Amino acid sequence: EIVLTQSPGTLSLSPGERATLSCRASQSVRSSYLAWYQQKPGQAPRLLIYGASSRATGIPDRFSGSGSGTDFTLTISGLEPEDFAVYYCQQYGSSLYTFGQGTKLEIK
Amino acid sequence: EVQLLESGGGLIQPGGSLRLSCAASGFTFSSYAMSWVRQTPGKGLEWVSAISGSGGSTYYADSVKGRFTISRDSSKNTLYLQMNSLRAEDTAVYYCAKAVVAAKGHYYFDYWGQGTLVTVSS
Repeated sequence: EIVLTQSPGTLSLSPGERATLSCRASQSVRSSYLAWYQQKPGQAPRLLIYGASSRATGIPDRFSGSGSGTDFTLTISGLEPEDFAVYYCQQYGSSLYTFGQGTKLEIK
Repeated sequence: EVQLLESGGGLIQPGGSLRLSCAASGFTFSSYAMSWVRQTPGKGLEWVSAISGSGGSTYYADSVKGRFTISRDSSKNTLYLQMNSLRAEDTAVYYCAKAVVAAKGHYYFDYWGQGTLVTVSS
């Protein structure tokens, strides 16, 4: 099983700032099969990024993903008030899909 | 508009059984793989099971293999999760998710339902 470790656990920033979230895998993720999701309280997760760097339909271009192998990054440039939420990475490179434990992005 | 509506959750005693349903609309159900993902406060998101569009391939997390069965009925546009031998650690919100196939057996999830709560407790 591939274990995904997200850091930091909590990130405190102000609107307008740039957020950098990390997701590290315990072994290489095949074909960069890595996705990022956003979840707000009381809501289901929403797909942001797939294939490590492709934005999902309707996702603003301030969200970008990068990385390969074992190290992946989600960057949010110019934080908007609606971006404060919990973010999860998910690998689907192995048939046992796993999620990271999440990074909470909170308003400073 | 894609809509996924889960039902069937509730309070069940350890060792009991429960069947979850997910009614899908807004897309050609039979053309897409589907999945169940659960969430607990302590363990976060955990993938549970997935099924191909045809229903011919199924996948399970080790934690539920042999106890849970995923199935689908394309005539009803409905996904199911039969859960047997339930344990306290199965307590979670269960989400139904529409899957995108990156390659055979490799799925990510582009739409999610709002979830149904399953509580396993005596």
